[in-house]
Amino acid sequence: ETGVTQTPRHLVMGMTNKKSLKCEQHLGHNAMYWYKQSAKKPLELMFVYSLEERVENNSVPSRFSPECPNSSHLFLHLHTLQPEDSALYLCASSQGGTEVDEQFFGPGTRLTVL
Amino acid sequence: GQNIDQPTEMTATEGAIVQINCTYQTSGFNGLFWYQQHAGEAPTFLSYNVLDGLEEKGRFSSFLSRSKGYSYLLLKELQMKDSASYLCAVMDSNYQLIWGAGTKLIIKP
Repeated sequence: ETGVTQTPRHLVMGMTNKKSLKCEQHLGHNAMYWYKQSAKKPLELMFVYSLEERVENNSVPSRFSPECPNSSHLFLHLHTLQPEDSALYLCASSQGGTEVDEQFFGPGTRLTVL
Repeated sequence: GQNIDQPTEMTATEGAIVQINCTYQTSGFNGLFWYQQHAGEAPTFLSYNVLDGLEEKGRFSSFLSRSKGYSYLLLKELQMKDSASYLCAVMDSNYQLIWGAGTKLIIKP
């Protein structure tokens, strides 16, 4: 257990569905991250929140919409996804700030878009 | 552009030693991380190097040469549970982590 939980662990959705991924960290961290992990590809950073403010949005399509209501919770809202969006979505947290710190990852949500 | 290269897959024998290499080209350097990821699980932190040289932590060691843009992870006395993917990541000048695609390590009895 890394102190970061994600739900659901697995999700299958059609292209017209709307769903949300949830992440919660119990580490008292100030920064949270969404990553996309596709087979045999590097982790792709999608969004970064620091103290509940979005500080990074790496040209992610608008069909992905993040929400960070407080420093412990992070959501990724999904709508009208494409089959190529099927991947493992990982949430991570860290102390944050302009310093080198270790990221702690959740177990991920395996998303399949039909 | 920024780039991290590591082998896609490696195979080693239980009890042996294996070295996983990582080369990088990034805009700035604030350290290099190694993470371990078992299939279906979260990546977990293994090591961090920011100065040249070798960092040893039990059966695992990590080496860094900043002038060569090169690191390796050395795993000794391999155990079956070491079968996993090993991810190399570099923190750039903006304190963003740039990730390699990972090396899948297969341990055979």
